[in-house]
Amino acid sequence: DIQMTQSPSTLSASVRDRVTITCRATQDISDWLAWYQQTPGKAPRLLIYKASNLEGGVPSRFSGTGSGTDFTLTISSLQPDDFATYYCQQYNSYPYTFGQGTKVEIK
Amino acid sequence: QVQLVQSGAEVKKPGSSVTVSCTASGGIFSSFDINWLRQAPGQGPEWMGGIIPVLDKADYAQKFEGRVTITVDKTSPTVHMELSSLRSDDTAVYYCARDGGSGWFDVWGQGTLVTVS
Repeated sequence: DIQMTQSPSTLSASVRDRVTITCRATQDISDWLAWYQQTPGKAPRLLIYKASNLEGGVPSRFSGTGSGTDFTLTISSLQPDDFATYYCQQYNSYPYTFGQGTKVEIK
Repeated sequence: QVQLVQSGAEVKKPGSSVTVSCTASGGIFSSFDINWLRQAPGQGPEWMGGIIPVLDKADYAQKFEGRVTITVDKTSPTVHMELSSLRSDDTAVYYCARDGGSGWFDVWGQGTLVTVS
């Protein structure tokens, strides 16, 4: 199975900060990577697919880069709604696997 | 706009089975794959398997092979996920989710809490 490792596990930031989350795969997954946002008690929400494609309705402050094994999710100017947990997911091969999550907290 | 609505919370005894259902509305059901994932408390989501309704073909994560069965009722339209031989570590929120194209999940159900105790 492909393991996905996110860093950091927790991130403290303030509104309007620029935030970057990284995700590393244990093998080359090309650009078959998605990013999700989850708030407590809710289902994950798709933000980005194919490493850099913004899902419809997602604010443009979210962006994704990377290919191969190393990926990043950037929030250009953190907003109050963005305090949540973020997950990366590879869909290069079965079984699809997720990172352990990065919790973005209020500083 | 496609919506996925799941059945309600369940409490089960160890060794028993549970079936969680996922009903789609607002779209052509047979045109998209439905997957099942679960999320234990404090953990990331875990993919269990998925089905292609038009082909009635399911794929499962090896971890769950032999314990999970995903079926589709095209007339409803509803997808069912049965997990058998339940253990306490199967306690989790179970989600159905639509495959958005090549393996990402763009529409999710609201989640169903399954407690094994």
